[in-house]
Amino acid sequence: DAGVIQSPRHEVTEMGQEVTLRCKPISGHDYLFWYRQTMMRGLELLIYFNNNVPIDDSGMPEDRFSAKMPNASFSTLKIQPSEPRDSAVYFCASSFGREPQHFGDGTRLSIL
Amino acid sequence: SQQGEEDPQALSIQEGENATMNCSYKTSINNLQWYRQNSGRGLVHLILIRSNEREKHSGRLRVTLDTSKKSSSLLITASRAADTASYFCATGRRTGNQFYFGTGTSLTVIP
Repeated sequence: DAGVIQSPRHEVTEMGQEVTLRCKPISGHDYLFWYRQTMMRGLELLIYFNNNVPIDDSGMPEDRFSAKMPNASFSTLKIQPSEPRDSAVYFCASSFGREPQHFGDGTRLSIL
Repeated sequence: SQQGEEDPQALSIQEGENATMNCSYKTSINNLQWYRQNSGRGLVHLILIRSNEREKHSGRLRVTLDTSKKSSSLLITASRAADTASYFCATGRRTGNQFYFGTGTSLTVIP
């Protein structure tokens, strides 16, 4: 079975540019989570969706960050405008109900 | 911070030895999970223990949970070089479906 698929795997862009990260969850999963991982702050939950509806976005750091889930098989995390401090690895994960989460391999984002 | 904390931050052992990692958390939980992360990859679920359980086994893994001390431990027996990875605990609250991850223990198993 295909796991959670994230794209791109790596993104390098200049400060001020818009960045869009993409995620395809496992088919049939009704929860989707976005995380950010840095050495300093560890793994932080940014936002999660249930049946395509955002449930908790309290972890979204600033208004520059936005996330959407237009349908059950696709979600995006957008940063506009991007800043060097946004550099991190961004993970998407999905789950069925309260079952354990399945993670993608992440997008390594570098903002110059 | 909502995160738990793992201890130690880093652990280096010889192949065949046992590895023990600890996790402390701050709030009441519904369950606690352990995940593994290989370098450059996403997290992989290892084992889940519910708040009314005290011990759970899965293969070479043994997890304990002490809710009175708000702590858990993960024991990997007869370690292998392939166990080299970072290990994270994640706590699930009684309401909602979000999990909060600890800071991780980096385990190195020397062949």
